[in-house]
Amino acid sequence: GAGVSQSPSNKVTEKGKDVELRCDPISGHTALYWYRQSLGQGLEFLIYFQGNSAPDKSGLPSDRFSAERTGGSVSTLTIQRTQQEDSAVYLCASSSRQGLGETQYFGPGTRLLVL
Amino acid sequence: KQEVTQIPAALSVPEGENLVLNCSFTDSAIYNLQWFRQDPGKGLTSLLLIQSSQREQTSGRLNASLDKSSGRSTLYIAASQPGDSATYLCAVPNQAGTALIFGKGTTLSVSS
Repeated sequence: GAGVSQSPSNKVTEKGKDVELRCDPISGHTALYWYRQSLGQGLEFLIYFQGNSAPDKSGLPSDRFSAERTGGSVSTLTIQRTQQEDSAVYLCASSSRQGLGETQYFGPGTRLLVL
Repeated sequence: KQEVTQIPAALSVPEGENLVLNCSFTDSAIYNLQWFRQDPGKGLTSLLLIQSSQREQTSGRLNASLDKSSGRSTLYIAASQPGDSATYLCAVPNQAGTALIFGKGTTLSVSS
């Protein structure tokens, strides 16, 4: 595709509900990353995919957070039993392959508000 | 553990000024350093990527320098314009190359 797309762009949910956030990477990009940007905080890494596997999940803040990637393309980040502190912008990025020298291309993000 | 710091957190300048944004990192063993721009409510746009073997990179009115030994990078913006108003972020890869570690950014406002 032309760029990384994410949906929904905004999501308002009630505390305790589950949410799913979707990321469509650039076509052909094998590496996919999820980050979280909270008010007053910097961008925090959540999880990295190479193909359909996730060799680095070290940034997931709790077991309420999970992610999967299917067909080496679309990825879904799921947050179960949402809490107010989960409110943030969730950003997805992709790169042509995993490597220290590769530029990551970011999507516009999903703004999550947990009431 | 690598930490990235950006100073100042916010900067306001009149149009036409040249300005410098600063980024520092605690572990000098970086592979590269990248500067991004983020507009309000938008994602990140890559501006410049400097490999560790390079001293600087230029793109139009932007020039980024890298001094690994001192753990510093600067982003120089020449002849600033109101359209340059945005948050500027610097980032370095973690050692495994699986994630970028970001500073908290410098929010720039250029007035006309």
